[in-house]
Amino acid sequence: QVQLQESGPGLVKPSETLSLTCTVSGGSISPYYWSWIRRPPGKGLEWIGYVYYSGSTNYNPSLKSRVTISVDSSKNQFSLKLYSVTAADTAVYYCVRDYSGTYVFDYWGQGTLVTVSS
Amino acid sequence: VMTQTPLSLSVTPGQPASISCKCSQSLLHSDGKTYLYWYLQKPGQSPQLLIYEVSSRFSGVPDRFSGSGSGTDFTLKISRVEAEDVGVYYCMQAINVRTFGQGTKLEIK
Repeated sequence: QVQLQESGPGLVKPSETLSLTCTVSGGSISPYYWSWIRRPPGKGLEWIGYVYYSGSTNYNPSLKSRVTISVDSSKNQFSLKLYSVTAADTAVYYCVRDYSGTYVFDYWGQGTLVTVSS
Repeated sequence: VMTQTPLSLSVTPGQPASISCKCSQSLLHSDGKTYLYWYLQKPGQSPQLLIYEVSSRFSGVPDRFSGSGSGTDFTLKISRVEAEDVGVYYCMQAINVRTFGQGTKLEIK
């Protein structure tokens, strides 16, 4: 059974960089796509972007200028960096297995709350 | 853009429920697949996949859930709502970038 676990700071100051890592266990990073998704308080789900196991990426156009998603296959991990954060980036962040050839978003992490505040 | 309606539903147990999802572009890919999915986020939980490629139920999803539609118009139906079905339902398109609908909150009367 594939399991995903997010890790990283729960509090980030405005204008700084939000950094999260997702560790995948029970399965391999390859040959899949892996996404980050967030849910701000009181709002719906927002897709941030995905990384393919080879390292290629695709981002939400509304966040593209501030996002980098990378993969480390040797550690079975992928990571999110969101730059120049504001209070609007406060959300529960989920790491998710993206496209697997048939399903999209079939395995989810438990989510981690990141609050942007000074 | 993905437009879901209604944004909230209050349903008596045992009664049916239906959610509509309209997309501003066709979700039929040149590979013949239609990249439309449905998810449920139950209170306090991560979202879970219900339906993939318009109408196929994911593993373990009860057969009271069904999906239909084509092109730009899609529907999720619950034939007989149960108490465990409460939560927020999202449609999502994955033809290139991924876009979620606004979500539909289902409550039990």
